[in-house]
Amino acid sequence: ELQLVESGGGLVQPGGSLRLSCAASGFTLSTYSMNWLRQAPGKGLEWISYISKTSGTIYYADSVKDRFTISRDNAENSLYLQMNSLRVEDTAVYYCATMGVTGFDDWGQGIMVAVSS
Amino acid sequence: DIHMTQSPSSLSASVGDRVTITCQASPDIMNYLNWYQHQPGKAPKLLIYDASNLKEGVPPRFSGSGSGTLFTFTIIGLQPEDIATYYCQQYYNLPYTFGQGTKLEIK
Repeated sequence: ELQLVESGGGLVQPGGSLRLSCAASGFTLSTYSMNWLRQAPGKGLEWISYISKTSGTIYYADSVKDRFTISRDNAENSLYLQMNSLRVEDTAVYYCATMGVTGFDDWGQGIMVAVSS
Repeated sequence: DIHMTQSPSSLSASVGDRVTITCQASPDIMNYLNWYQHQPGKAPKLLIYDASNLKEGVPPRFSGSGSGTLFTFTIIGLQPEDIATYYCQQYYNLPYTFGQGTKLEIK
């Protein structure tokens, strides 16, 4: 069974950093492009980053560009999101998701990131 | 960015009812539109892709239609387990954008 499990979330002060991980099991990560999305409290879903199967193509939403870095280690079957210069408005549940032909096919359960002083 | 406007923002219906949610895109996104179900504490789930195609394993009471700028998501015969927030999402252009969601409750 395909499973994605996020980890690395928590409470951090504004300006701080966190690194999220997404561990894939039940399938080979290298067969999928991957994404990070998030949902702030009381808000809707927001796509924030995409990485192709071999890391050759990467995209970011303007809201996180130049602060967040997506990466992957196919040998470890893992996806990462390095988050620097965190802001209060980055507080959200963060999800990793596979990129199917047309949409976000499979999602993790999400991990909470809280940015507060 | 492509703007997605979803309505209504919340909806209360009875078991067995027909429920309709509308999503408007600006500008035109052809049929590059998906619908997701998000239940509290669970991972979002892709239900409909390319505006009208049912993802494998999704019950046929769910359906989608539309193209261009106006899209509709319908549940025929609402079930208690359909309690969730539903989102439309465009993949015509980056950044991929979502509607603000429709929270569906059972009367």
